[in-house]
Amino acid sequence: SYVLTQPPSVSVAPGQTARITCGGSSIGSKSVHWYQQKPGQAPVLVVYDDSDRPSGIPERFSGSNSGNTATLTISRVGAGDEADYYCQMWDSYSGLYVFGTGTKVTVL
Amino acid sequence: EVQLVESGGGLVKPGGSLRLSCAASGFTFSTHTMNWVRQAPGKGLEWVSSISASSTYIYYTDSVKGRFSISRDNAKNSVYLQMNSLRAEDTGVYHCVSGSPIGAEYFQHWGQGTLLTVSS
Repeated sequence: SYVLTQPPSVSVAPGQTARITCGGSSIGSKSVHWYQQKPGQAPVLVVYDDSDRPSGIPERFSGSNSGNTATLTISRVGAGDEADYYCQMWDSYSGLYVFGTGTKVTVL
Repeated sequence: EVQLVESGGGLVKPGGSLRLSCAASGFTFSTHTMNWVRQAPGKGLEWVSSISASSTYIYYTDSVKGRFSISRDNAKNSVYLQMNSLRAEDTGVYHCVSGSPIGAEYFQHWGQGTLLTVSS
């Protein structure tokens, strides 16, 4: 089955930029989606189709996808961005969905 | 406002059965693929099952095939997950999730989840 690999943790100073990677074989040829999950809460979609933002999600959240790596970028990070982040893709051939291993973002 | 409200979780012994329900509102339920996604305590997200808008296409993750069954009732705006032969590793929070409006490639709206604990 397809595997999406994320770094377990990313630390960033307030006001700086956090970059969270999601690695997978030829992931650049697939659509990748990103979710934010704060403690005790349900996940929230923050980026879909590699780089689109749902309504209500700040422009500080952006995404890219190429080759074997998709990236979620959070600009001007604040304390409110501390959360777990998950990438996800859908395998159209099998109809199955895959989540990445998850990354905990800590604001220093 | 989209709402997805799960119910039916609880404590079950290994080998037991349970049925989860999800009541949806605030969107055109009958046109969306619906999903169940679970999260074991302290672990990541795991997709469990999906059912297309008209129930034509149904999929399961390998670990629940033959044990879990997903269904929906578009007249009641509800989706269900029948879980049989439960195992300790099925323990976790089960979220009801709506699929994206076109192509169902991502998970658009999430319920808060219902907790299933499988333990003797």
